[in-house]
Amino acid sequence: NAGVTQTPKFQVLKTGQSMTLQCAQDMNHEYMSWYRQDPGMGLRLIHYSVGAGITDQGEVPNGYNVSRSTTEDFPLRLLSAAPSQTSVYFCASSYRRGISEAFFGQGTRLTVV
Amino acid sequence: GQQVMQIPQYQHVQEGEDFTTYCNSSTTLSNIQWYKQRPGGHPVFLIQLVKSGEVKKQKRLTFQFGEAKKNSSLHITATQTTDVGTYFCAGGNDMRFGAGTRLTVKP
Repeated sequence: NAGVTQTPKFQVLKTGQSMTLQCAQDMNHEYMSWYRQDPGMGLRLIHYSVGAGITDQGEVPNGYNVSRSTTEDFPLRLLSAAPSQTSVYFCASSYRRGISEAFFGQGTRLTVV
Repeated sequence: GQQVMQIPQYQHVQEGEDFTTYCNSSTTLSNIQWYKQRPGGHPVFLIQLVKSGEVKKQKRLTFQFGEAKKNSSLHITATQTTDVGTYFCAGGNDMRFGAGTRLTVKP
C-alpha cells in the first residue's frame, strides 16, 4: 500500500516563482489536508478538503491555492513564492476529519531564495 | 479560535528516565489525537482519546484525557533511545496541533 504520496521531496524556488506540490492517496479517504511545519510552531493547517470538489481554508491559507477534482489527488499551488514560505509541507488524509487516524505523506522541504 | 498549547517544548532525559508532555486547550475538545514524528520523518498516529477521563496504554506509553476534556498528557515510562522524536497532540475536529515536544534520550 502506497498510502499518501507527496512529490517532490525537495525543492528550491526563486522568489516570485510558482509551483505545485503534488499529493495523492490510495485509501479512498474523503478528507485531505495540507500543513506546513516550521520550527517551534508545530503543524499549521493551510487548506483542507472534505471531498472531491470541496475545499476550504485553514489557519494559514494566504499565498496558497488548492483544488480537489478527484478523491485521490489534492495538489497545493504556490502562486508567487516568498521566502516566508520556506518550510516543510505535509499532506495528510483520513477517513473523516479529526475523528479518525490521519496518514501523512513523507513531506516536501521547500526553500525559497 | 481554539488554541492547543503543548509543554515542554524540549525535554532531554537519560535513558531509563520517565518523560511526560502536556497539552492544554482553551476550549473543550471533542477528542484528542497524539502523533510521533521521528527526526527527518513524518507524523505517525499513536492514539485517539474521546471520553472524559479516558486513560489508554500502549506498552510503556500512557495517554490521559482530562475530565473537562481540555487537557491531555502522554507519559513514557523508562525511556529508550527509540523514543526519540517530537510528540504532537492534535485536538478537536479541526485537528489543531500543538507545537510539539521534542524528546532526546541520552544512552
